[in-house]
Amino acid sequence: AQSVTQPDIHITVSEGASLELRCNYSYGATPYLFWYVQSPGQGLQLLLKYFSGDTLVQGIKGFEAEFKRSQSSFNLRKPSVHWSDAAEYFCAVGAAAAGNKLTFGGGTRVLVKP
Amino acid sequence: ETGVTQTPRHLVMGMTNKKSLKCEQHLGHNAMYWYKQSAKKPLELMFVYNFKEQTENNSVPSRFSPECPNSSHLFLHLHTLQPEDSALYLCASSPRTSGGQETQYFGPGTRLLVL
Repeated sequence: AQSVTQPDIHITVSEGASLELRCNYSYGATPYLFWYVQSPGQGLQLLLKYFSGDTLVQGIKGFEAEFKRSQSSFNLRKPSVHWSDAAEYFCAVGAAAAGNKLTFGGGTRVLVKP
Repeated sequence: ETGVTQTPRHLVMGMTNKKSLKCEQHLGHNAMYWYKQSAKKPLELMFVYNFKEQTENNSVPSRFSPECPNSSHLFLHLHTLQPEDSALYLCASSPRTSGGQETQYFGPGTRLLVL
């Protein structure tokens, strides 16, 4: 069975600074990887996804993520954070053998300081 | 985004009440999902429906009863809930359930409080 770990529960970053959120997964075959964002009181919105090909994936809102098979990681980055990026971020893994079931990490809450 | 809507957005109910959560998707998808999001716990998949047929029940207690009358609508019927069932209940949809690649689109959720 697949699993996802997001080691950082909270991250505080200053507006304009760079942001990196860590995600490690466990799955025996090639995973399908997703990053979602949840703003307060809202559902989850897809930021980006990786299925195959180029390991650096561009998403919405200026986010990107890099798949590193050797490290079983799919870290999310943004060069310059805006106050509106304050939210909770979830990494998820899907597996072909599991239908379309997604396994989510515990999430990382991002606070943005002015 | 209005692709997946959920009603009500907030619900307070007693342990002896019966209530229903409604989800509707306007994306032409064929798969729908219920998730539970509790404080300090990862999102938990509850049920999956594909073309109106239930394909996944993740060991959910029988006090939660899903219903999928068509590919656009999904209900979660609630009865004799416990306080620990208080959570945000999220609905999602995707084109299909095959392959693991299908992006799931989420609704805003129903915040449930059981007293």
